[in-house]
Amino acid sequence: DGGITQSPKYLFRKEGQNVTLSCEQNLNHDAMYWYRQDPGQGLRLIYYSQIVNDFQKGDIAEGYSVSREKKESFPLTVTSAQKNPTAFYLCASSIEGTGRVNQPQHFGDGTRLSIL
Amino acid sequence: AQSVTQLDSHVSVSEGTPVLLRCNYSSSYSPSLFWYVQHPNKGLQLLLKYTSAATLVKGINGFEAEFKKSETSFHLTKPSAHMSDAAEYFCVVRVVGGAGRRALTFGSGTRLQVQP
Repeated sequence: DGGITQSPKYLFRKEGQNVTLSCEQNLNHDAMYWYRQDPGQGLRLIYYSQIVNDFQKGDIAEGYSVSREKKESFPLTVTSAQKNPTAFYLCASSIEGTGRVNQPQHFGDGTRLSIL
Repeated sequence: AQSVTQLDSHVSVSEGTPVLLRCNYSSSYSPSLFWYVQHPNKGLQLLLKYTSAATLVKGINGFEAEFKKSETSFHLTKPSAHMSDAAEYFCVVRVVGGAGRRALTFGSGTRLQVQP
């Protein structure tokens, strides 16, 4: 079955440590996204990528970094510069391109990051 | 700029009774609107989408929503609630911004409780 796989499901970070969250999709989607979800709030966009080797900052990119070397993969690194990283992180993908601007995004099951 | 407001943070209904989750939006252009559902520690699943075709949109699991331009609303309804409907629901508007950015703006969510 096609879908989006996020790993690990739970992740713990020590102070001053960088951690990387994995996101892989086999839907052949061009666009991929990272969102952060805090309790009682909606999702906020961290980074997005519409094509391989290209990505753009979202609304809350400070303290995060991404890469998009392959169409299937869009890993997110939470750096030590992110002072409040405890949250639920969701990866999404969608078909993009001419005539496809209204396509929905498909989501993975998320990674919950906590600080030790 | 686009935004979306979910008018109720919590809604509680009895099993077998109707469900109404309210959403108002603002958009400078004809919007694309979506409803997503999220079960605990899971990603988001698309319930339905509005993309300027029929104003009454039918989705999965018996849910539907009506787009009312004059009221800038996109309320989600279901005739009869089931215990499995208990979850968090997000109203979402599609943003088409500068430089081809296509991302979603999320409401803050409505938690639906279903009492036996």
